[in-house]
Amino acid sequence: SQQGEEDPQALSIQEGENATMNCSYKTSINNLQWYRQNSGRGLVHLILIRSNEREKHSGRLRVTLDTSKKSSSLLITASRAADTASYFCATDKGNYGQNFVFGPGTRLSVLP
Amino acid sequence: GAVVSQHPSRVICKSGTSVKIECRSLDFQATTMFWYRQFPKKSLMLMATSNEGSKATYEQGVEKDKFLINHASLTLSTLTVTSAHPEDSSFYICSARDQLRGAQETQYFGPGTRLLVL
Repeated sequence: SQQGEEDPQALSIQEGENATMNCSYKTSINNLQWYRQNSGRGLVHLILIRSNEREKHSGRLRVTLDTSKKSSSLLITASRAADTASYFCATDKGNYGQNFVFGPGTRLSVLP
Repeated sequence: GAVVSQHPSRVICKSGTSVKIECRSLDFQATTMFWYRQFPKKSLMLMATSNEGSKATYEQGVEKDKFLINHASLTLSTLTVTSAHPEDSSFYICSARDQLRGAQETQYFGPGTRLLVL
Protein backbone atom coordinates (compact mmCIF):
# COMPACT_ATOMS: atom_id res chain seq x y z
CA SER A 1 0.00 0.00 0.00
CA GLN A 2 1.25 3.46 -0.82
CA GLN A 3 2.10 5.98 1.84
CA GLY A 4 1.16 9.58 1.28
CA GLU A 5 -1.62 9.58 -1.28
CA GLU A 6 -2.96 12.95 -2.29
CA ASP A 7 -6.35 13.77 -3.59
CA PRO A 8 -7.52 15.22 -5.80
CA GLN A 9 -4.87 14.36 -8.35
CA ALA A 10 -5.74 17.47 -10.31
CA LEU A 11 -7.55 20.61 -9.26
CA SER A 12 -8.49 23.63 -11.32
CA ILE A 13 -9.81 26.79 -9.68
CA GLN A 14 -10.24 30.49 -10.37
CA GLU A 15 -7.90 33.08 -8.96
CA GLY A 16 -9.07 34.24 -5.56
CA GLU A 17 -10.68 30.95 -4.64
CA ASN A 18 -9.35 28.63 -1.96
CA ALA A 19 -7.67 25.36 -2.87
CA THR A 20 -7.76 22.33 -0.61
CA MET A 21 -5.60 19.28 -1.12
CA ASN A 22 -5.67 16.16 0.99
CA CYS A 23 -3.08 13.56 1.84
CA SER A 24 -3.71 10.17 3.39
CA TYR A 25 -1.18 7.74 4.71
CA LYS A 26 -1.24 4.26 6.17
CA THR A 27 1.46 3.86 8.80
CA SER A 28 2.42 5.92 11.81
CA ILE A 29 4.60 8.93 11.12
CA ASN A 30 6.97 11.27 12.88
CA ASN A 31 6.01 14.26 10.78
CA LEU A 32 4.42 15.20 7.48
CA GLN A 33 5.69 17.85 5.11
CA TRP A 34 4.21 19.61 2.13
CA TYR A 35 6.28 20.55 -0.88
CA ARG A 36 5.56 22.46 -4.05
CA GLN A 37 7.04 21.75 -7.47
CA ASN A 38 6.80 23.98 -10.49
CA SER A 39 6.92 22.14 -13.79
CA GLY A 40 10.37 20.71 -14.45
CA ARG A 41 11.85 22.18 -11.31
CA GLY A 42 12.97 21.02 -7.89
CA LEU A 43 10.81 20.93 -4.81
CA VAL A 44 10.28 23.85 -2.48
CA HIS A 45 9.54 23.14 1.15
CA LEU A 46 6.28 24.72 2.28
CA ILE A 47 5.49 23.53 5.76
CA LEU A 48 6.24 20.80 8.27
CA ILE A 49 3.75 19.51 10.79
CA ARG A 50 4.77 17.09 13.51
CA SER A 51 2.70 14.19 14.72
CA ASN A 52 1.82 15.99 17.96
CA GLU A 53 0.53 19.05 16.13
CA ARG A 54 -2.93 19.50 14.68
CA GLU A 55 -2.71 22.69 12.68
CA LYS A 56 -0.07 25.07 11.36
CA HIS A 57 -0.20 28.27 9.40
CA SER A 58 2.27 29.95 7.12
CA GLY A 59 1.05 33.00 5.23
CA ARG A 60 -1.79 31.86 2.98
CA LEU A 61 -1.13 28.22 3.80
CA ARG A 62 -2.93 26.23 6.44
CA VAL A 63 -2.07 22.62 7.14
CA THR A 64 -3.98 20.24 9.34
CA LEU A 65 -3.03 16.81 10.57
CA ASP A 66 -5.39 14.19 11.91
CA THR A 67 -3.34 11.25 13.10
CA SER A 68 -6.44 9.26 14.05
CA LYS A 69 -7.57 9.38 10.45
CA LYS A 70 -4.04 9.32 9.09
CA SER A 71 -4.71 12.31 6.93
CA SER A 72 -3.54 15.85 6.32
CA SER A 73 -4.89 18.74 4.34
CA LEU A 74 -3.24 21.75 2.73
CA LEU A 75 -5.38 24.82 2.25
CA ILE A 76 -4.20 27.69 0.07
CA THR A 77 -6.38 30.74 0.58
CA ALA A 78 -6.97 33.51 -1.95
CA SER A 79 -5.14 31.59 -4.64
CA ARG A 80 -3.09 33.31 -7.31
CA ALA A 81 -2.05 32.25 -10.78
CA ALA A 82 1.48 31.91 -9.43
CA ASP A 83 0.28 29.14 -7.12
CA THR A 84 -0.09 26.89 -10.16
CA ALA A 85 2.17 23.92 -9.44
CA SER A 86 2.17 20.35 -8.21
CA TYR A 87 1.89 19.86 -4.48
CA PHE A 88 3.27 16.80 -2.73
CA CYS A 89 2.98 15.54 0.77
CA ALA A 90 5.88 13.60 2.21
CA THR A 91 5.52 11.41 5.23
CA ASP A 92 8.52 10.87 7.46
CA LYS A 93 8.35 7.69 9.48
CA GLY A 94 11.72 8.05 11.08
CA ASN A 95 13.62 10.79 12.73
CA TYR A 96 15.57 13.53 11.08
CA GLY A 97 14.05 13.31 7.62
CA GLN A 98 15.65 10.03 6.74
CA ASN A 99 12.60 8.16 5.53
CA PHE A 100 10.55 10.31 3.21
CA VAL A 101 7.75 8.76 1.20
CA PHE A 102 6.10 11.04 -1.30
CA GLY A 103 2.54 10.86 -2.44
CA PRO A 104 1.60 11.11 -6.14
CA GLY A 105 0.88 14.81 -5.85
CA THR A 106 -1.94 17.18 -6.73
CA ARG A 107 -1.59 19.29 -9.86
CA LEU A 108 -3.15 22.64 -9.09
CA SER A 109 -4.09 25.05 -11.85
CA VAL A 110 -5.16 28.53 -10.85
CA LEU A 111 -6.83 30.31 -13.71
CA PRO A 112 -6.56 34.10 -13.94
CA GLY B 1 19.92 29.73 3.34
CA ALA B 2 19.73 25.97 2.78
CA VAL B 3 20.36 26.13 -0.96
CA VAL B 4 21.09 22.99 -2.93
CA SER B 5 22.37 23.09 -6.49
CA GLN B 6 22.62 20.44 -9.17
CA HIS B 7 24.74 20.26 -12.27
CA PRO B 8 24.04 19.82 -15.07
CA SER B 9 20.41 20.87 -15.30
CA ARG B 10 19.96 18.97 -18.55
CA VAL B 11 22.02 16.32 -20.27
CA ILE B 12 21.57 14.34 -23.44
CA CYS B 13 23.80 11.37 -24.00
CA LYS B 14 24.15 8.35 -26.23
CA SER B 15 23.18 4.91 -25.05
CA GLY B 16 26.08 3.15 -23.39
CA THR B 17 27.81 6.24 -22.05
CA SER B 18 28.06 7.26 -18.41
CA VAL B 19 26.70 10.47 -16.97
CA LYS B 20 27.70 12.16 -13.73
CA ILE B 21 25.32 14.46 -11.86
CA GLU B 22 26.57 16.67 -9.06
CA CYS B 23 24.62 17.79 -6.03
CA ARG B 24 26.04 20.55 -3.84
CA SER B 25 24.90 22.14 -0.63
CA LEU B 26 25.91 25.75 -1.10
CA ASP B 27 25.59 27.29 2.34
CA PHE B 28 25.56 24.39 4.71
CA GLN B 29 27.22 21.08 5.32
CA ALA B 30 25.31 17.91 4.68
CA THR B 31 26.44 14.58 6.02
CA THR B 32 23.46 13.01 4.33
CA MET B 33 22.07 13.64 0.87
CA PHE B 34 19.29 11.85 -0.94
CA TRP B 35 18.83 10.96 -4.60
CA TYR B 36 15.36 10.71 -6.10
CA ARG B 37 14.05 9.83 -9.51
CA GLN B 38 10.86 11.28 -10.95
CA PHE B 39 8.99 10.19 -14.06
CA PRO B 40 6.76 12.66 -15.93
CA LYS B 41 3.71 13.67 -13.92
CA LYS B 42 4.64 11.18 -11.24
CA SER B 43 5.91 11.44 -7.72
CA LEU B 44 9.47 11.18 -6.44
CA MET B 45 10.94 7.78 -5.72
CA LEU B 46 13.87 7.59 -3.36
CA MET B 47 16.79 5.82 -5.01
CA ALA B 48 19.47 6.02 -2.37
CA THR B 49 20.76 7.80 0.69
CA SER B 50 24.25 9.19 0.29
CA ASN B 51 26.39 9.28 3.42
CA GLU B 52 29.55 11.35 3.61
CA GLY B 53 32.58 9.16 4.04
CA SER B 54 30.75 5.85 3.76
CA LYS B 55 28.83 3.76 1.30
CA ALA B 56 25.44 4.83 0.06
CA THR B 57 22.31 3.01 1.12
CA TYR B 58 20.23 1.94 -1.84
CA GLU B 59 16.50 1.37 -1.91
CA GLN B 60 15.16 -1.99 -2.92
CA GLY B 61 15.23 -2.50 -6.65
CA VAL B 62 17.90 0.14 -7.33
CA GLU B 63 21.09 -1.29 -8.82
CA LYS B 64 24.08 0.07 -6.98
CA ASP B 65 26.43 -0.81 -9.83
CA LYS B 66 24.21 1.06 -12.24
CA PHE B 67 23.79 4.17 -10.13
CA LEU B 68 27.11 4.93 -8.48
CA ILE B 69 27.01 7.40 -5.62
CA ASN B 70 29.99 9.17 -4.13
CA HIS B 71 29.75 11.55 -1.19
CA ALA B 72 33.34 12.63 -0.85
CA SER B 73 32.81 15.86 1.05
CA LEU B 74 30.27 17.51 3.30
CA THR B 75 28.99 19.64 0.43
CA LEU B 76 29.10 17.37 -2.58
CA SER B 77 27.46 14.14 -3.63
CA THR B 78 27.62 12.72 -7.14
CA LEU B 79 25.39 10.26 -8.92
CA THR B 80 26.86 8.48 -11.94
CA VAL B 81 24.51 6.65 -14.25
CA THR B 82 26.73 4.02 -15.80
CA SER B 83 26.17 2.60 -19.28
CA ALA B 84 23.00 4.64 -19.63
CA HIS B 85 20.08 3.30 -21.63
CA PRO B 86 16.91 5.02 -22.85
CA GLU B 87 14.96 3.62 -19.90
CA ASP B 88 17.25 5.61 -17.60
CA SER B 89 15.87 8.82 -19.05
CA SER B 90 14.24 10.64 -16.20
CA PHE B 91 14.36 13.63 -13.88
CA TYR B 92 16.87 13.11 -11.09
CA ILE B 93 16.58 15.26 -7.97
CA CYS B 94 18.86 15.40 -4.97
CA SER B 95 18.15 16.75 -1.53
CA ALA B 96 20.03 17.39 1.66
CA ARG B 97 19.32 18.07 5.28
CA ASP B 98 20.76 21.05 7.10
CA GLN B 99 21.51 19.53 10.46
CA LEU B 100 22.51 22.77 12.09
CA ARG B 101 19.67 25.11 11.22
CA GLY B 102 15.94 24.93 11.33
CA ALA B 103 14.02 21.69 11.43
CA GLN B 104 16.35 18.76 11.06
CA GLU B 105 13.53 16.78 9.52
CA THR B 106 13.33 19.02 6.46
CA GLN B 107 15.00 18.09 3.20
CA TYR B 108 16.06 20.86 0.85
CA PHE B 109 15.91 19.97 -2.79
CA GLY B 110 18.05 20.80 -5.75
CA PRO B 111 16.51 22.01 -9.01
CA GLY B 112 16.84 18.60 -10.65
CA THR B 113 18.66 17.20 -13.65
CA ARG B 114 16.81 16.04 -16.72
CA LEU B 115 18.56 13.12 -18.37
CA LEU B 116 17.71 12.01 -21.89
CA VAL B 117 19.44 8.93 -23.22
CA LEU B 118 19.23 8.47 -26.97
